[in-house]
Amino acid sequence: RKEVEQDPGPFNVPEGATVAFNCTYSNSASQSFFWYRQDCRKEPKLLMSVYSSGNEDGRFTAQLNRASQYISLLIRDSKLSDSATYLCVVNLGNSGNTPLVFGKGTRLSVIA
Amino acid sequence: NAGVTQTPKFRILKIGQSMTLQCTQDMNHNYMYWYRQDPGMGLKLIYYSVGAGITDKGEVPNGYNVSRSTTEDFPLRLELAAPSQTSVYFCASSPLMGSAGELFFGEGSRLTVL
Repeated sequence: RKEVEQDPGPFNVPEGATVAFNCTYSNSASQSFFWYRQDCRKEPKLLMSVYSSGNEDGRFTAQLNRASQYISLLIRDSKLSDSATYLCVVNLGNSGNTPLVFGKGTRLSVIA
Repeated sequence: NAGVTQTPKFRILKIGQSMTLQCTQDMNHNYMYWYRQDPGMGLKLIYYSVGAGITDKGEVPNGYNVSRSTTEDFPLRLELAAPSQTSVYFCASSPLMGSAGELFFGEGSRLTVL
């Protein structure tokens, strides 16, 4: 299994649609998980952390499934401005003091 | 609010030339990182630093060197540039490591080696 693996997409969805991305990770002892957003030719920016109990921020919901070693990101009521690449980021070490590892990203295009 | 500042934003190098990518942050973060991102790929860690005077290799360190003489600055040196080093380079900093630290990125430096 690759360390952090994502479906590259692209996901082309109409405005208002619900879309979900999954990301798998290799180390069952991983402790920390994040979703970053990267706009075209821009730097990545933190979208949200992923907590064990799942968490929601407006239209965005992140969930963690430790048994199957994946995290997910759900976007409801998609907006044109949601078009971007979504990067799954995992701390693959067994402690908190190891650098984060990035997936290749999933590209989302929201179409009017 | 400068955050993380990288220079230059764009550079074209000839094979075999050397150059330094500059990175400075004004957030007093201990942790700093250099990533490279090839087209359609995720970010790969080149080097990182947990504080002034301390650096460590990441996933793809070959062909690069770093130093961390101050908390603020973390320059990346490319020696003997090769076409395989054509990429977008991102410097980042964080207040904490790994598990809890959000990464703050610079705007990137686009390097082409011809």
